[in-house]
Amino acid sequence: GENVEQHPSTLSVQEGDSAVIKCTYSDSASNYFPWYKQELGKRPQLIIDIRSNVGEKKDQRIAVTLNKTAKHFSLHITETQPEDSAVYFCAASSNRDDKIIFGKGTRLHILP
Amino acid sequence: NAGVTQTPKFRILKIGQSMTLQCTQDMNHNYMYWYRQDPGMGLKLIYYSVGAGITDKGEVPNGYNVSRSTTEDFPLRLELAAPSQTSVYFCASSTPGSSGNTIYFGEGSWLTVV
Repeated sequence: GENVEQHPSTLSVQEGDSAVIKCTYSDSASNYFPWYKQELGKRPQLIIDIRSNVGEKKDQRIAVTLNKTAKHFSLHITETQPEDSAVYFCAASSNRDDKIIFGKGTRLHILP
Repeated sequence: NAGVTQTPKFRILKIGQSMTLQCTQDMNHNYMYWYRQDPGMGLKLIYYSVGAGITDKGEVPNGYNVSRSTTEDFPLRLELAAPSQTSVYFCASSTPGSSGNTIYFGEGSWLTVV
């Protein structure tokens, strides 16, 4: 089955700097890659997603890139702000079995 | 809009007790999921369902059972609760389409087994 690895587990960046979180997946049939943000005590919420027929997608300060050949995808947050502090999860999903498998999460700290 | 509703929000169980976590969604989504999230950890898929009458095991199904008699409801049953089942449980739903498979989570159910 699908296995999603996520790095780093913890990331601290200065406010205003950029943050990058990386994920790899194992199942070449995976074709949908969402990213979720989870604030303390809250439910995960979708922030951006990408399908396998697209290499990059951007939404304001957030961008996601996908390298299908290497089975890598990454989340980029630019001009980080205090409200970006949270846990971020990547996930992978395929049409074959409809499971959505999550990475272990990255705790992002934005330092003042 | 209610979205995905889970009950109860908090529960303390004794070892060996049984209980059912309720989940209902009003978005007419075909797909429903149960995940567990241990403290400081990621989301692990317990069971999922692609439609009424169909259920499949996820990554960590042992100790749990599910049923899907209607599109709206997807209860998760814990039999013989164990301390290892102390976790936050999230129900979620989605309808996969050409643009992807965005899942929407409920608010979570905090379960402690003592």
